[in-house]
Amino acid sequence: GENVEQHPSTLSVQEGDSAVIKCTYSDSASNYFPWYKQELGKGPQLIIDIRSNVGEKKDQRIAVTLNKTAKHFSLHITETQPEDSAVYFCAASISGGSYIPTFGRGTSLIVHP
Amino acid sequence: EAQVTQNPRYLITVTGKKLTVTCSQNMNHEYMSWYRQDPGLGLRQIYYSMNVEVTDKGDVPEGYKVSRKEKRNFPLILESPSPNQTSLYFCASSLGKSYPLHFGNGTRLTVT
Repeated sequence: GENVEQHPSTLSVQEGDSAVIKCTYSDSASNYFPWYKQELGKGPQLIIDIRSNVGEKKDQRIAVTLNKTAKHFSLHITETQPEDSAVYFCAASISGGSYIPTFGRGTSLIVHP
Repeated sequence: EAQVTQNPRYLITVTGKKLTVTCSQNMNHEYMSWYRQDPGLGLRQIYYSMNVEVTDKGDVPEGYKVSRKEKRNFPLILESPSPNQTSLYFCASSLGKSYPLHFGNGTRLTVT
């Protein structure tokens, strides 16, 4: 089955710096790659996603890049703010077959004021 | 407001006492699923459902049951809970396999 590795597990940055979280996946058939943000006491919430026919997607301070050849995708957050502090999860899924999206183990991002 | 509602938020029980965690969505989504979240392990899928009366196992189904009698509801049943099922549980729904998941706010279960 699919395996998703996520790094780093913890990331500490100063306010205003950029943060990058990387994920690799094993199944070349995976074609949908969402990123979720989980704040304390809440469920994960989608912040951005990308499909395999696109190499990059941007939404204000957040961007995701996908390298299908190398089977990795990354989340980029620019001009970080304290409210960006949360746990971030990447995931990979295949449009066909069983419905079992595979998640990375999460990255705890801490933004220091 | 579009949302996934799960209850209860917190639950403490004893080994062997059957319990049900309810989940309801108001977005008319066909896909619903249950996840457990454990420290260092991320989110692992327990069961999913692609439509009414259609359910299938996820990665960690042992010790759990589900049912999908109505499109909006997808309860998680623990017939005989054990301490290793102590975890944070999330229900989620989506339009389809390659669409974003909408998560509930979680149920923290403790089995003593």
